Amino acid sequence: EPEVTQTPSHQVTQMGQEVILRCVPISNHLYFYWYRQILGQKVEFLVSFYNNEISEKSEIFDDQFSVERPDGSNFTLKIRSTKLEDSAMYFCASRGWGAGNNEQFFGPGTRLTVL
Amino acid sequence: SQQGEEDPQALSIQEGENATMNCSYKTSINNLQWYRQNSGRGLVHLILIRSNEREKHSGRLRVTLDTSKKSSSLLITASRAADTASYFCATDRVKTSYDKVIFGPGTSLSVIP
Repeated sequence: EPEVTQTPSHQVTQMGQEVILRCVPISNHLYFYWYRQILGQKVEFLVSFYNNEISEKSEIFDDQFSVERPDGSNFTLKIRSTKLEDSAMYFCASRGWGAGNNEQFFGPGTRLTVL
Repeated sequence: SQQGEEDPQALSIQEGENATMNCSYKTSINNLQWYRQNSGRGLVHLILIRSNEREKHSGRLRVTLDTSKKSSSLLITASRAADTASYFCATDRVKTSYDKVIFGPGTSLSVIP
């Protein structure tokens, strides 16, 4: 069964460093998303992406964040200068096109630890 | 404002019992989805119910949706220890297609063997 994959599963970085989180969405999906979940809290929306541009972003998604679909398969989230409060689980999700494809399928997540 | 709110926040039952979790939301929706998350792990999609559906079944799962009350329930029948996890409802708004989903805070379910 097709699934969303994410790498790495765990990333440890020093405050101020740049990190890139990688996702491979399900191959025929067209809509892509990043969410995050701070430990013990609920899952929060960061950004949605369609047709090579951002569709919507939350107030969390400030200038330190960027997304890119560098090729036909990868979807990346970059944090330019990490802060302690960026420590969280980051989930990528994708969704197909059409009325019958309403489910968002999530990857296993990348746990980001900022020291 | 929060779109989804689950209750109870925590639920502890004996194996074999049924578990019922509820979700309320504030704005009109296209769909409501339920996800499961084992501790520190990823989000597993359980079931989606559309706004024009009232009930849906999948294995031991039964989901209901009452759009007049803006609420949904997830029933897990004959629970097993492996059902121990957090359960989240997530909604997308009527306003836009292919919208993000908004999660509630979740219900933590413990099934005691």
